[in-house]
Amino acid sequence: GESVGLHLPTLSVQEGDNSIINCAYSNSASDYFIWYKQESGKGPQFIIDIRSNMDKRQGQRVTVLLNKTVKHLSLQIAATQPGDSAVYFCAENIGSGAGSYQLTFGKGTKLSVIP
Amino acid sequence: DVKVTQSSRYLVKRTGEKVFLECVQDMDHENMFWYRQDPGLGLRLIYFSYDVKMKEKGDIPEGYSVSREKKERFSLILESASTNQTSMYLCASSFPGTGGRQRETQYFGPGTRLLVL
Repeated sequence: GESVGLHLPTLSVQEGDNSIINCAYSNSASDYFIWYKQESGKGPQFIIDIRSNMDKRQGQRVTVLLNKTVKHLSLQIAATQPGDSAVYFCAENIGSGAGSYQLTFGKGTKLSVIP
Repeated sequence: DVKVTQSSRYLVKRTGEKVFLECVQDMDHENMFWYRQDPGLGLRLIYFSYDVKMKEKGDIPEGYSVSREKKERFSLILESASTNQTSMYLCASSFPGTGGRQRETQYFGPGTRLLVL
C-alpha cells in the first residue's frame, strides 16, 4: 500500500550548520503534511505544517518544502542547535472521505547535533 | 496551548493482567487516537474515536479495546496483557474548531511506556 517514508534513518550535523531531513510520500491524494519532533522519552510535538497548494512554508528557524511532482517533503532547520537533537517524523493526511482525520506517519529520522 | 495528558509515564504489568491506559485532553477536541510506537515500526494506529461513545478500529486493534464515555477522555484497555504488547503508547487528539491550527493536526501526550512481564 501507499505509505510515508524517509530517505535517511539517521543524520549527524555540526552545531550551527543547517539540517535537511527528507521524506517521500506515495499517496498523490494527500493534501496536508506535518512535521513532528520527538525528543527522547517524550511524545511528538508539532513543528510545522504545509498544504498541497503551497510549496514552501517558513517558521522560526524551520522551513518545509513540498515538491508534489516527485512527492517529496523536506524539513530544513537553520543554525542547528543541540536542542534540535531528536527524531523527526513527517505525516500526511488525505483530507477527504472516510478516515480524513487520520494521519499516516513516516518511521522517523534521528537528528544528532555535534557540539 | 493544547494539553494532552496520559495517566502514567511508566507501567509494569504481568502477562494476563487487565491494563487501563487513560488519556485526557483539555481543548474540547472531537477526535482522539491511540497509537503504539515500536523501534523500526514507527507509529501504528490502534483505535480512534470521532465522538463520545464512538470508536473505530485502526491498523492493529487486536488485543485492545477502547472506551470514550466523555469527550475529553479516551481509554485504551488491554483485556489480557501479553509480552508482545510491551511498547510505548501514545494518545493524541485533534480538531480544535475555531481558531488554532488546521483540524487534522494531532497533538500528542507524553506517552506511556508499558512493560509486560
